[in-house]
Amino acid sequence: DAKTTQPPSMDCAEGRAANLPCNHSTISGNEYVYWYRQIHSQGPQYIIHGLKNNETNEMASLIITEDRKSSTLILPHATLRDTAVYYCIVRAAGNKLTFGGGTRVLVKP
Amino acid sequence: EPEVTQTPSHQVTQMGQEVILRCVPISNHLYFYWYRQILGQKVEFLVSFYNNEISEKSEIFDDQFSVERPDGSNFTLKIRSTKLEDSAMYFCASSESLALLPKNIQYFGAGTRLSVL
Repeated sequence: DAKTTQPPSMDCAEGRAANLPCNHSTISGNEYVYWYRQIHSQGPQYIIHGLKNNETNEMASLIITEDRKSSTLILPHATLRDTAVYYCIVRAAGNKLTFGGGTRVLVKP
Repeated sequence: EPEVTQTPSHQVTQMGQEVILRCVPISNHLYFYWYRQILGQKVEFLVSFYNNEISEKSEIFDDQFSVERPDGSNFTLKIRSTKLEDSAMYFCASSESLALLPKNIQYFGAGTRLSVL
């Protein structure tokens, strides 16, 4: 599976949108982009996934660039409970999940 | 909402003892996984399991580890003779399918903290 690069940390103001970038320049055609988050050593929580189209669900939006070499996870109105480590994972269907270091997001009041 | 359940939440054991970590995957899921996370480190894949067989395992998953689905609901990870370096959070995950989205999304339990003294 392709490697991903994320900033190690970022702060966000409560109520504002949080935009989390991820680079995956070596992504191949059959690989999807998945986002998970981990709140304080709890189990990773699935957020969203996409292949090439932008996706939105009740938790977040995922914007994937046209060349698929990068993506952005958007939390539209961050709350204090969104403080977590966010993982961007590129994976072909059926493969195991390979977690990197993720981005530690701190939502501040 | 269905969830993966893990027990116990915290297990303390002496070095050299055997431990069994238990997981109840989501009921209609067929693929099961164990991951672990040593304190302050990344989440690491250990093993995947389907149809009563190991599908894939990592280098970490050596002969000291085994997995089993002893009945229709439980999925267990056994560590035969624990070492200090086995201290970690162990996460169980399950998915309905392997390849078909969205059914191949893995859902995780809250984890078992294993402390080896």
